Amino acid sequence: DSGVTQTPKHLITATGQRVTLRCSPRSGDLSVYWYQQSLDQGLQFLIQYYNGEERAKGNILERFSAQQFPDLHSELNLSSLELGDSALYFCASSAQGSYEKLFFGSGTQLSVL
Amino acid sequence: SQQGEEDPQALSIQEGENATMNCSYKTSINNLQWYRQNSGRGLVHLILIRSNEREKHSGRLRVTLDTSKKSSSLLITASRAADTASYFCATDLGSSASKIIFGSGTRLSIRP
Repeated sequence: DSGVTQTPKHLITATGQRVTLRCSPRSGDLSVYWYQQSLDQGLQFLIQYYNGEERAKGNILERFSAQQFPDLHSELNLSSLELGDSALYFCASSAQGSYEKLFFGSGTQLSVL
Repeated sequence: SQQGEEDPQALSIQEGENATMNCSYKTSINNLQWYRQNSGRGLVHLILIRSNEREKHSGRLRVTLDTSKKSSSLLITASRAADTASYFCATDLGSSASKIIFGSGTRLSIRP
């Protein structure tokens, strides 16, 4: 158990809809990272937050947004969903910056039908 | 865009043999990490090597880093069935250390 909690584990929705994925980092970890993994693909970096502030952005679509709350949990919002958004979305946390190893949650499997 | 690229994409070996995976990256880094992913599950950190280190060991794992060639290798010795998984290298972009970018991974299969 990595200590990172992601909910829900599975999400099935329709095109055009909006969903929210939730992540609770390990106790004490200030950084949260979001990644997208499509079938048989590597992980695509989406965005990183540190102590409530956005620190780095990857190839995140404008339809996607995220935030980190004062209690350090984070949410990834995906809107106007398309079939191609179907993927495994991972959250990871680390103690500080990028010099520490990442602890990954078990992911949210999103299926857009 | 991918910062790291693993080679080979897939590798199948006999149990007990050694497995070697390579990772090449494009820009300067602060550190390089290797992770393992069992099918459909979250990634698990294996080892981190800093840019000023050349080799690191952890149990049956040996990682090397050649910053002049912008490459790293992961060696798993005496492979076991439980080593069957995908292996990813991850690098931070030296100029923007907040981005930890993963390669496309090597799928390792261990035959009994």
